Amino acid sequence: GAGVSQSPSNKVTEKGKDVELRCDPISGHTALYWYRQSLGQGLEFLIYFQGNSAPDKSGLPSDRFSAERTGGSVSTLTIQRTQQEDSAVYLCASSLASTSGNVLTFGAGSRLTVL
Amino acid sequence: AQKVTQAQTEISVVEKEDVTLDCVYETRDTTYYLFWYKQPPSGELVFLIRRNSFDEQNEISGRYSWNFQKSTSSFNFTITASQVVDSAVYFCALLGGGADGLTFGKGTHLIIQP
Repeated sequence: GAGVSQSPSNKVTEKGKDVELRCDPISGHTALYWYRQSLGQGLEFLIYFQGNSAPDKSGLPSDRFSAERTGGSVSTLTIQRTQQEDSAVYLCASSLASTSGNVLTFGAGSRLTVL
Repeated sequence: AQKVTQAQTEISVVEKEDVTLDCVYETRDTTYYLFWYKQPPSGELVFLIRRNSFDEQNEISGRYSWNFQKSTSSFNFTITASQVVDSAVYFCALLGGGADGLTFGKGTHLIIQP
């Protein structure tokens, strides 16, 4: 597509439920990133995929968070047993590659509210 | 470790004033990239500029200008003759040579009052 597409744009869930957030990157972009933006905070790196290589999961805040990228394209971020502190906007970005300072293009984000 | 500091949490100016947003970074890499992104109320991050560590030339794009100084590890952003549409949160970010993703500052919330 023309841009990075994320769904759902808004998700309200109850504490303890699992949620899945989807990211469809720009066609041809091999690098894909997930960031989290909590209210009034900067962007916190979560996970990064580059092609078919093993993802860099160093930013995931707990083992309740996981992500996968199927076929080098669409990615799903899963949060299990959601907690109220998981409430945030989850941003996905993609780029041509992870090196050479390629520009990251961001999606509009998925706003997660955990009640 | 990499770090980006945007000391100004919020700036409020009256329309047509000039305003400078500060960004100070830390990295041990000799090759790195600096970015500015704009996040308007709609929420989507918009890329503004990228600079590599070997290019210290200042850049001007319309009312926007950027001052990159390696000696002070700063990459400041100036908006001349500000407009209400410039109101947004502005993020400075750093990509080091070995990093897998951008390191962002906490952002500066810019409010342009009519």
